[in-house]
Amino acid sequence: EVQLVESGGGLVKPGGSLRLSCAASGFTFSSYSMNWVRQAPGKGLEWVSSISSSSSYIYYADSVKGRFTISRDNAKNSLYLQMNSLRAEDTAVYYCARDGPRGGDAFDIWGQGTMVTVSS
Amino acid sequence: AIWMTQSPSLLSASTGDRVTISCRMSQGISSYLAWYQQKPGKAPELLIYAASTLQSGVPSRFSGSGSGTDFTLTISCLQSEDFATYYCQQYYSFPPTFGGGTKVEIK
Repeated sequence: EVQLVESGGGLVKPGGSLRLSCAASGFTFSSYSMNWVRQAPGKGLEWVSSISSSSSYIYYADSVKGRFTISRDNAKNSLYLQMNSLRAEDTAVYYCARDGPRGGDAFDIWGQGTMVTVSS
Repeated sequence: AIWMTQSPSLLSASTGDRVTISCRMSQGISSYLAWYQQKPGKAPELLIYAASTLQSGVPSRFSGSGSGTDFTLTISCLQSEDFATYYCQQYYSFPPTFGGGTKVEIK
């Protein structure tokens, strides 16, 4: 079964750090670009970051640039998001999502999400 | 960035109704548009990509149309399991952007 499972969310104080992980299974992880998308409570979807299959291309939303770092370990079938200098407005459910097979594509597989709460 | 206007934000409908949701782009994106369905407490699910191609396993009552700047998602005969929030997304250029969402509720 094709699956993405996020972990690492939790409660953190403003200015703090958190590292999210996304474990992939059921497909050849190293062949796909991957993404992080977040959703603040009661709000819509916001793309956060993307990484190509070999990590050659990395993109960030302006709202997280310089604070978040996306990475992947193809040997471990895992995607990561290192989040530093966290702000209250980063509070959201964070989803990892797979790019479709055509590359630069719609997001065809999503994880269940992990909640990040930034509060003092 | 490409801005998207999704309408309506709330749609009240009954089972069996035909419903349409619109998504308008600030610039042309060819057919690089996707539609997602999200139910409360769940992750989004891909319904349609390339503006009109149904994702595997998605019921045929869902259809998408449009190209350039104007796109539509149609549900031909609304079922109980279709009450959810729907999002459009452009993946023509970075950053990929999502519409604000349309909540389809029971009338």
